[in-house]
Amino acid sequence: SQQGEEDPQALSIQEGENATMNCSYKTSINNLQWYRQNSGRGLVHLILIRSNEREKHSGRLRVTLDTSKKSSSLLITASRAADTASYFCATDQGAQKLVFGQGTRLTINP
Amino acid sequence: GAGVSQSPSNKVTEKGKDVELRCDPISGHTALYWYRQSLGQGLEFLIYFQGNSAPDKSGLPSDRFSAERTGGSVSTLTIQRTQQEDSAVYLCASSLEAGGLIYETQYFGPGTRLLVL
Repeated sequence: SQQGEEDPQALSIQEGENATMNCSYKTSINNLQWYRQNSGRGLVHLILIRSNEREKHSGRLRVTLDTSKKSSSLLITASRAADTASYFCATDQGAQKLVFGQGTRLTINP
Repeated sequence: GAGVSQSPSNKVTEKGKDVELRCDPISGHTALYWYRQSLGQGLEFLIYFQGNSAPDKSGLPSDRFSAERTGGSVSTLTIQRTQQEDSAVYLCASSLEAGGLIYETQYFGPGTRLLVL
């Protein structure tokens, strides 16, 4: 079964607006990662947050982690057309095995 | 190399045929992973290599699926007697190990899109 579940499944916003995606998971984790996928091909690593961290920033990306609620959020500020992609959260389940959610399909309208 | 490469990019095969998918990890990355992604779905873990050994084969869907890695580098995923439900994008990733610690970040290849007719 999928460890991570993203919400919403699809999100469409205007360029310049902020986009927020959420991820929930079921078991204890060491870290949670967010990846982006363009056009159904290879994934690009965006950011990793460890279980003892609550918030992390990288450029226009802000990730939060609430281990008590077993949830994480990814915020993309000042969205651009190039941010259009699918975004996946992934949690570790030991032995370097990542379990991915179903993803959020983000569309940025010009 | 500059990144993870996979070949072929696309593969169309007939039901019942065998296929081989290849992955070239980033040079120096000792950990290698195979995932499968069906249309519009998330990634499904298949198998993980540490060097040439596979500590975790738990994701292989059936005994028609096998994978090997030689020389701690190139890996081949083989699907025997392909079925239509095997149609998916097969993604390979690698990660770095340093000082006995495997870094968590995985670097993905572009994938092989497999279509079984």
